[in-house]
Amino acid sequence: QVQLQQWGAGLLKPSETLSLTCAVDGGSFSIYYWNWFRQSPGKGLEWIGEINHSGSTNYSPSLESRVTMSVDTSKNQFSLKLSSVSAADTAVYYCARGGYRYRGLMDVWGKGTTVTVSS
Amino acid sequence: DIQMTQSPSTLSASIGDRVTITCRASQSISDWLAWYQQKPGKAPKVLIYKASRLESGVPSRFSGSGSGTEFTLTISSLQPDDFATYYCQEFNSYSRTFGQGTKVEIK
Repeated sequence: QVQLQQWGAGLLKPSETLSLTCAVDGGSFSIYYWNWFRQSPGKGLEWIGEINHSGSTNYSPSLESRVTMSVDTSKNQFSLKLSSVSAADTAVYYCARGGYRYRGLMDVWGKGTTVTVSS
Repeated sequence: DIQMTQSPSTLSASIGDRVTITCRASQSISDWLAWYQQKPGKAPKVLIYKASRLESGVPSRFSGSGSGTEFTLTISSLQPDDFATYYCQEFNSYSRTFGQGTKVEIK
């Protein structure tokens, strides 16, 4: 049973950098794409981007200028950094696994991390 | 970007009711449509993919249909565990857009 365990700072000030990490427990790390999503009352569920084991990334065009994703294959972990945050980035952030057959279909999710941006 | 629009936003129903939720895409997405269920404080869980294929372990009272721009999720006989919010998602493009959600409430 694959599990995703995520963590990171939950309270940030405007202009700071959001940093989250997701650890993959069980299953293969190298054959999947690993994703970040966020969910806020105002914008619903929003895809942030994906990364694979070799570090190949695809980002949402609306966030691309502020997003960096990285991977640590020695620990089966992947990370998200979002720079210059504002109140609009307040949301629950989820890591998720893209399916082996359908990469855009998320078949395993982390439990979510609530991130609040406030001065 | 592809836009996904669900209706209704909220639905009140009783145990045993047949429930139908609609999702419309702003352009044709063939059958690249998934349905997720989300309960408060939990992550989404996939129910249906490729418009009509039931994810392993999901009860058969859930079914999906449609192609192109119009899709439906049907729950044939609503059970207590089904009160939740349901989202459609197009999963072929890199926007991976979700609908805004349909909350199924107890009537």
